[in-house]
Parts: sequence; structure tokens; C-alpha cells
Amino acid sequence: NAGVTQTPKFRVLKTGQSMTLLCAQDMNHEYMYWYRQDPGMGLRLIHYSVGEGTTAKGEVPDGYNVSRLKKQNFLLGLESAAPSQTSVYFCASNHAGGGGQPQHFGDGTRLSIL
Amino acid sequence: KQEVTQIPAALSVPEGENLVLNCSFTDSAIYNLQWFRQDPGKGLTSLLLIQSSQREQTSGRLNASLDKSSGRSTLYIAASQPGDSATYLCAAYMGGNKLVFGAGTILRVKS
Repeated sequence: NAGVTQTPKFRVLKTGQSMTLLCAQDMNHEYMYWYRQDPGMGLRLIHYSVGEGTTAKGEVPDGYNVSRLKKQNFLLGLESAAPSQTSVYFCASNHAGGGGQPQHFGDGTRLSIL
Repeated sequence: KQEVTQIPAALSVPEGENLVLNCSFTDSAIYNLQWFRQDPGKGLTSLLLIQSSQREQTSGRLNASLDKSSGRSTLYIAASQPGDSATYLCAAYMGGNKLVFGAGTILRVKS
């Protein structure tokens, strides 16, 4: 049972570099989310998608872009990485919106920006 | 703005002890309250989801309660085991696809 798979698991970038984080789910979920988790803070929503071809901003969207070209995939892009984007990034998915049903999480991508 | 606070930030207990983790929220207009478990280096696993119309939910040794009027939820763990060691997070669902998370309680159960 793969569930939600995130790649890569770890990455180190230099300031100004770009990269894309990939999230794939095999549960046929409509909704997908990207969060960041920082020490001493709860998870914060970056962007989310309510279905293939849709995206929407969350609480902390600045500096990130997303795409949902296929239902099973949700990509998070950093166009010009900044040290403030050093964090652990989590992808999640569920059938119904937001918190109506439990979200299923991937194991995270640990990203360091030097 | 909804804020979710978890107390204590860390807790260490001997094996077999019953324990309570606390979660408070500032806005009582929630749809549900959720408890998650996070193991080191892993994602979150949903434990319990309490709808706003419910008072509590139980799963095995876990029992979660919700009191919207006081803005509080508790997670009760009975007969704790070393395998329960993890970070426990609560999250309030406000609608609009928005879950507001607390910072979590780090639990260590000593054998």
C-alpha cells in the first residue's frame, strides 16, 4: 500500500536555485495539500487542490507555485529558493475537502536552503 | 484568527501510566477536531476525528473528547506503552479546506 509518496526525501539547495517537489497518491483522492512544518510550529498550509487542473492558495503561499495536471500528482515548485524556505514539506490527500475526512500524509521532504 | 495550543510541549511518563494531552482552540466555530500521531522522520497518521456535534471518540486505548464551549479537546491514552512514544498533534477544521494545527506534544513512554 503506497498511499502518499513524496520525492525526494532530502534535498540541499543554494539560495536562488529552483526545484520541484513531487507528491503522488494512489487512493484516487480528489483533494491534495502541501504543508510546511517548522520547529515549534504546527503545520501550515501552502497550497491545495480540489481536483485535477485546480489549485488554490493556503496560509503561506508566497514563494511557491503548484500544479495538478494529473489527479494522482501534485507538484510544489520553488522558483528561487530562500533560506526562509528551509523546512520539512508534507503532502496530504483526502476524498472530501479539508478536514471533513482524515487526510493521508506522505513521509515528508526535508529541504535545506543554504 | 484561529489559534490552536497544545500543552504540555513535552511529556515523559513511565510505562503503564494513564495520561492526558491537552489541546485548546480560540474559535469555537469548528467543524471537527482531529488528533494525529507523528513518528520521527515520518508523516502524520490520523488517530481520531471528533465532529462538532460529538463529545468524544474512542479507538482502542485512545479516547478523545471535545468541548466546543470551552474551546478544549483532550486525548486520553490508557496504559501507555513505549510504542506510544511519538509527537501528538491536534488540528481544528474551520471549513474552507483549512486545518489549523497545534505545535504538538512530544510524548516519551519509558520502559
